[in-house]
Amino acid sequence: DQQVKQNSPSLSVQEGRISILNCDYTNSMFDYFLWYKKYPAEGPTFLISISSIKDKNEDGRFTVFLNKSAKHLSLHIVPSQPGDSAVYFCAALSLMDSNYQLIWGAGTKLIIKP
Amino acid sequence: GAGVSQSPSNKVTEKGKDVELRCDPISGHTALYWYRQRLGQGLEFLIYFQGNSAPDKSGLPSDRFSAERTGESVSTLTIQRTQQEDSAVYLCASSFGGGAKTGELFFGEGSRLTVL
Repeated sequence: DQQVKQNSPSLSVQEGRISILNCDYTNSMFDYFLWYKKYPAEGPTFLISISSIKDKNEDGRFTVFLNKSAKHLSLHIVPSQPGDSAVYFCAALSLMDSNYQLIWGAGTKLIIKP
Repeated sequence: GAGVSQSPSNKVTEKGKDVELRCDPISGHTALYWYRQRLGQGLEFLIYFQGNSAPDKSGLPSDRFSAERTGESVSTLTIQRTQQEDSAVYLCASSFGGGAKTGELFFGEGSRLTVL
């Protein structure tokens, strides 16, 4: 039972254009949604998050949008840069979980073409 | 140290052998997590420590897996009688206590385990 789904295994975007990564979830009780970025042979690094009470959070080139009625969130990167090429993981957290464990999607590999 | 440190970075072992993976969290971080990532999949939660205690060990895949943390610092994940399905990257993450409640974790580079 996948509670967090990233349906696109990969995405290729031209440098300078907008990259849009998508994530769907099934559990309406999640309190936070996060995006992590992962380069090969490195651990994931936190990128941006959004509380379930908000619908948008922006940090520089990165914006996360949350549509609770559709149980969908997306990460927008604009403009895309070559250093953005990485695997992006969507994750979700419920504060009702005493372990505060993150529930992860399978990741989307973003390739920025020069 | 400046970041979360894990060792070994790579481990190849034979089926049936025991392995021990080590994690040194960021100094002062009270929350420590172990996750596992199989090829092409998302991260799978294993265990969470707040200080030295793990309130819930139900995330561990089987009784061959155990973990401990001492001195609110170093943690070891032990896999006994390894099986081929244990092959994965084992990731450790730490956070100050409040960070665990917002999901903002600091990850190590992982220990890649290959069971032949």
